[in-house]
Amino acid sequence: AQTVTQSQPEMSVQEAETVTLSCTYDTSENNYYLFWYKQPPSRQMILVIRQEAYKQQNATENRFSVNFQKAAKSFSLKISDSQLGDTAMYFCAFIFATGNQFYFGTGTSLTVIP
Amino acid sequence: EPEVTQTPSHQVTQMGQEVILRCVPISNHLYFYWYRQILGQKVEFLVSFYNNEISEKSEIFDDQFSVERPDGSNFTLKIRSTKLEDSAMYFCASSEMNTEAFFGQGTRLTVV
Repeated sequence: AQTVTQSQPEMSVQEAETVTLSCTYDTSENNYYLFWYKQPPSRQMILVIRQEAYKQQNATENRFSVNFQKAAKSFSLKISDSQLGDTAMYFCAFIFATGNQFYFGTGTSLTVIP
Repeated sequence: EPEVTQTPSHQVTQMGQEVILRCVPISNHLYFYWYRQILGQKVEFLVSFYNNEISEKSEIFDDQFSVERPDGSNFTLKIRSTKLEDSAMYFCASSEMNTEAFFGQGTRLTVV
């Protein structure tokens, strides 16, 4: 079975500080894509960042970066210079390269404190 | 920027009634999905759709549910006889390849 584990249900960070959200997953497949999605209070799911499993280089997107450790099946999200607008639920997810569904974690609720 | 559009944003229905949730995926996308999220809980996969047929469905997606792409642009989810436990946020998503999915803003379904 494919599982995604986000062990931090809630986190908080001071504005302008850095925070890391953890995610581990379990799969026997070798070729897949990993994602972080953000769900603000408006409840829309917004793609934050994507990582291809065959790439060793960690993805970055402005203030967002990942630490992808394929052997450890770990995919953490680092948010630098946190802003109030980063307050949201963050979901880790993956899909196989030949897959038909995205597997989601249970989410981490992040609060940025002014 | 292209986006996935869902209508209505909020639907209230009587238990036992049929509802149709509508989605307009991004125009060049080939893969379509429905997910649901019961308030504050995890995002649950319902069904994926490719090449005019269901490619995968979850245990939740029983005979009460169906999907359709009636006119090449809309992608609908029908729930034939709604139950109280169907109350949730329903998200449509689409992707060009089966890589990143772009989600709509969701339809909040309330069954009373």
